[in-house]
Amino acid sequence: AQKITQTQPGMFVQEKEAVTLDCTYDTSDPSYGLFWYKQPSSGEMIFLIYQGSYDQQNATEGRYSLNFQKARKSANLVISASQLGDSAMYFCAMREGRGTQGGSEKLVFGKGTKLTVNP
Amino acid sequence: NAGVTQTPKFQVLKTGQSMTLQCAQDMNHEYMSWYRQDPGMGLRLIHYSVGAGITDQGEVPNGYNVSRSTTEDFPLRLLSAAPSQTSVYFCATGRVHNSPLHFGNGTRLTVT
Repeated sequence: AQKITQTQPGMFVQEKEAVTLDCTYDTSDPSYGLFWYKQPSSGEMIFLIYQGSYDQQNATEGRYSLNFQKARKSANLVISASQLGDSAMYFCAMREGRGTQGGSEKLVFGKGTKLTVNP
Repeated sequence: NAGVTQTPKFQVLKTGQSMTLQCAQDMNHEYMSWYRQDPGMGLRLIHYSVGAGITDQGEVPNGYNVSRSTTEDFPLRLLSAAPSQTSVYFCATGRVHNSPLHFGNGTRLTVT
């Protein structure tokens, strides 16, 4: 079974509008972290935002926010005021484990969502 | 400060050849890992290490070997290349905790 599911292979948004990229996850570990990465056409992986399973508030980083709904096991990325430079692949990822050496530290990625921002 | 350095950037191999993809980091990160990225598949974990002398298998380890003799280096060895190993390979490092991974720029490998 997939641990990270991104159901939107592609999304389109108009410049300056907000867009939500969906991510659901599956884990029985109470300690985990959720990450979003951006991969532009140049290929590098750029870290955007992180949410810990014990964090009380939704994470925000500039125009990026993470809509974390723990009971529903969802961690959707919200991009506000989209820009042309936001066009890229976006990957949701989860890390399970307790952060101690020898623990199960594996970052599992979803298959990604390709976002296109139209002018 | 180089961060995570992968070499080579591009490589073409013939079926059956062996090679080593290099990954070096200067951030003193405990955790290092190798991923492969294939179209429509996202990134899949090949092997990872939580410290020098410790390695473990990820989701797709077959056909690959790793070792971690130092904190800085985590080479990925292809013992006998196959066309199915044509992919983009990323090395990623981080702290052993819920902290973001830092990625190298990738190695594009083609096996003919």
